[in-house]
Amino acid sequence: GEDVEQSLFLSVREGDSSVINCTYTDSSSTYLYWYKQEPGAGLQLLTYIFSNMDMKQDQRLTVLLNKKDKHLSLRIADTQTGDSAIYFCAEKEAGGYQKVTFGTGTKLQVIP
Amino acid sequence: DAGVIQSPRHEVTEMGQEVTLRCKPISGHDYLFWYRQTMMRGLELLIYFNNNVPIDDSGMPEDRFSAKMPNASFSTLKIQPSEPRDSAVYFCASSARAGGSYEQYFGPGTRLTVT
Repeated sequence: GEDVEQSLFLSVREGDSSVINCTYTDSSSTYLYWYKQEPGAGLQLLTYIFSNMDMKQDQRLTVLLNKKDKHLSLRIADTQTGDSAIYFCAEKEAGGYQKVTFGTGTKLQVIP
Repeated sequence: DAGVIQSPRHEVTEMGQEVTLRCKPISGHDYLFWYRQTMMRGLELLIYFNNNVPIDDSGMPEDRFSAKMPNASFSTLKIQPSEPRDSAVYFCASSARAGGSYEQYFGPGTRLTVT
């Protein structure tokens, strides 16, 4: 079955860039997503990228997709304390079904 | 839109009791998902519905768990009888096939504690 892996923890200083990495196994993935979960809240969609793209930028967020290596990354520029959260990578397989496979989540700690 | 609504936000119950979690998806969304999140197992998909019909319930842990979607605006997840290992945060999410990007919108979750 599909598998999505992430490192568990990342610590950065405020103002630096953060890079959160994700690898996935399903070569037929069509959409790949990044979600953010703040304490006590549900997951919130940050951005997504279609599998025929290799980069997408949205304000401070940059998503890079290396389809050959099945590697996805999320870069957050000028990281702020409000960016402290758990970040989930997710992928949707090809086909009509809506099932999305989520990674284990990366906890980002921003040090003031 | 108010987003996905879940109730209750917190539930504390004793082992053996029946627990019912409720979800109202975003209006117009035709897919509804139930997830469970724990520290040990992360985020697990339990079941999902399309147009009120269950499509995949392979993630439901055992027969003690059941889910229904009687109409497009309401779903329940029931645990009977509950056990301490069911303690977790349960999320409901909804999505729409129209539009193409299939992103899911999550509710705030129900934190269940079974003592």
